[in-house]
Amino acid sequence: LAKTTQPISMDSYEGQEVNITCSHNNIATNDYITWYQQFPSQGPRFIIQGYKTKVTNEVASLFIPADRKSSTLSLPRVSLSDTAVYYCLVGERADNYGQNFVFGPGTRLSVLP
Amino acid sequence: EADIYQTPRYLVIGTGKKITLECSQTMGHDKMYWYQQDPGMELHLIHYSYGVNSTEKGDLSSESTVSRIRTEHFPLTLESARPSHTSQYLCASSVQEGGETQYFGPGTRLLVL
Repeated sequence: LAKTTQPISMDSYEGQEVNITCSHNNIATNDYITWYQQFPSQGPRFIIQGYKTKVTNEVASLFIPADRKSSTLSLPRVSLSDTAVYYCLVGERADNYGQNFVFGPGTRLSVLP
Repeated sequence: EADIYQTPRYLVIGTGKKITLECSQTMGHDKMYWYQQDPGMELHLIHYSYGVNSTEKGDLSSESTVSRIRTEHFPLTLESARPSHTSQYLCASSVQEGGETQYFGPGTRLLVL
């Protein structure tokens, strides 16, 4: 399970596109990149997962360069309701030797009116 | 949306009481997790299970215990609640489709007086 680094906080305005980059230099061949969103007093919610190139769903896009040492979560036209903490996790699975995913501090996104 | 449930959602209880936080999922997931999270702070893994009769302690030491007698059920018990146990407890189950993806319940907010 690779260690990740992402900005602690970001500010944006409504209607803007937000890009949150996550660094994961030690990503392994079988690792996937998964992003979660967490609102206050709720559990994290899965947003998107990818392995390489680009993945898009109804909520976000995930861009992964060829070397896979970083990834960028893109949120199009954010609204106030997108204010949340965003976590980047890298790995294939929690294994049978006690290695588990670590959510870390995440990126606290504040969307301003 | 994933089908994972936690009860109670809120609990206020006195010191020394025994409490059990319930977590159930109807997705047939083998892996389940318990996290503890204080407001504005990081999630900390306190227990996990790879399947029936499997329970392991997580990265954060906890005085709680868990059991996994049925696939769908992963309760957490505190034998004697203390004010230091005041926190939010989040249960999750996971599936692997590509990379592992965790689905979280709504959480139990515990206040020990």
